[in-house]
Amino acid sequence: NAGVTQTPKFQVLKTGQSMTLQCAQDMNHNSMYWYRQDPGMGLRLIYYSASEGTTDKGEVPNGYNVSRLNKREFSLRLESAAPSQTSVYFCAIDGGRSYNEQFFGPGTRLTVL
Amino acid sequence: QKEVEQNSGPLSVPEGAIASLNCTYSDRVSQSFFWYRQYSGKSPELIMSIYSNGDKEDGRFTAQLNKASQYVSLLIRDSQPSDSATYLCAVKDYGQNFVFGPGTRLSVLP
Repeated sequence: NAGVTQTPKFQVLKTGQSMTLQCAQDMNHNSMYWYRQDPGMGLRLIYYSASEGTTDKGEVPNGYNVSRLNKREFSLRLESAAPSQTSVYFCAIDGGRSYNEQFFGPGTRLTVL
Repeated sequence: QKEVEQNSGPLSVPEGAIASLNCTYSDRVSQSFFWYRQYSGKSPELIMSIYSNGDKEDGRFTAQLNKASQYVSLLIRDSQPSDSATYLCAVKDYGQNFVFGPGTRLSVLP
C-alpha cells in the first residue's frame, strides 16, 4: 500500500449519519478511484477522477459524492448512510507500466447499523 | 454491462501442486488483463499483468491470455500454503475503467 493512505480504517455509523472517507497519495499520479467490495461481488467502481478537479461516475455511484480538490487527495462522502452501504471501501491509483495498473490503499471497513 | 467471471471456489490443492485459476470476460475490446491476490482482511495486491496473447511467466506464476476465446488464466506452480488467498481477475479497455471478477478463493493444503 506504499503511497496510498486511507482514513479511517474502521467506522460504525447509524442509518442517516454522514461521513467522509479520505484517500491521499504521495506518488503524484493523476487518476484516483473509489471502489467498494462486498462478499461474492468483487470490487465495484463508485467514482473515479482522471485528474485534479474532474470526477466521473462508476458502476455504483448512488448515495455517494466525491471531491478531488487537489492532485493528492480524493474523498468519498456518504451524506445519509444506509445499511446497504456497509462494505469495505478501497481507494486506488493508476501506476506501473504506462500507468495502466492499479494500486490499492489499505481500505476502510464501514458498518452502517 | 461488461462482465468478468470467475469460479468462486474454494479451489483446494495440495502443497507443491499446480493451481489453475480461470477467468472469462465479455468485452472484446479489452486490452489489459491483471491478476490480483487478496489475503483476508487486506487490500488487493497486483501479481501479474498481461497485454498480449500467449504466456507470461514471473517466478512461480504464469499468466495465459487468449483474446479470441476471451479467456485469461493464472497458473501457480509449486503451490505453498502462503498462496492461500482470493485471486481477482481484472480487465481494462482503452478507457479508465477496470472491471473486476468476484474472485476465486484458493486453499493450499499442507
